[in-house]
Amino acid sequence: AQKITQTQPGMFVQEKEAVTLDCTYDTSDQSYGLFWYKQPSSGEMIFLIYQGSYDEQNATEGRYSLNFQKARKSANLVISASQLGDSAMYFCAMRDRMRGNDMRFGAGTRLTVKP
Amino acid sequence: EAGVAQSPRYKIIEKRQSVAFWCNPISGHATLYWYQQILGQGPKLLIQFQNNGVVDDSQLPKDRFSAERLKGVDSTLKIQPAKLEDSAVYLCASSEHQNYNEQFFGPGTRLTVL
Repeated sequence: AQKITQTQPGMFVQEKEAVTLDCTYDTSDQSYGLFWYKQPSSGEMIFLIYQGSYDEQNATEGRYSLNFQKARKSANLVISASQLGDSAMYFCAMRDRMRGNDMRFGAGTRLTVKP
Repeated sequence: EAGVAQSPRYKIIEKRQSVAFWCNPISGHATLYWYQQILGQGPKLLIQFQNNGVVDDSQLPKDRFSAERLKGVDSTLKIQPAKLEDSAVYLCASSEHQNYNEQFFGPGTRLTVL
């Protein structure tokens, strides 16, 4: 069964430092996509970054990068130069063809950036 | 470009009452999703529409939940009758088409069932 695991319920990081949010996934499909979303206290889910299973390069979007280790089935999010506005819930998600491209989310990690 | 609109933002009802949520996706987006997000959990897909047809409703509790997207644009999600465990945030999202990677989410409707 498809499963997304985020083992860190909460993380703290000092402003301007980098932080890594962990995500592992389980699928038997060879073709899948991995996503990270940010959910601030306002409730809206904000798309951050995408990694396709066949992409050889790790995805990057500004201060966000995805550390994709396919053999280990991990897709960790790295946020560089943390800002106070990065404080939010972060969700890892996956879509695969076996589940009809249904998006499945992990339980989330609450990141708090300290000044 | 206007984002995904949802209303109401908050709703409080008593159990066994009915409630309806409305979503207007981004203009031109063919695919619309309804998610349920229970406190402390990630969103769970309830139903996915492609234009006005249902693509996936396997996780929709059909005995009490219904959804429609009659003209292939905006959509309504209804719960009748509501149970305590339906208390959650209901998120609507849209994407250009079914296989498009990025889904754009609305602000959600927070439902409290007393």
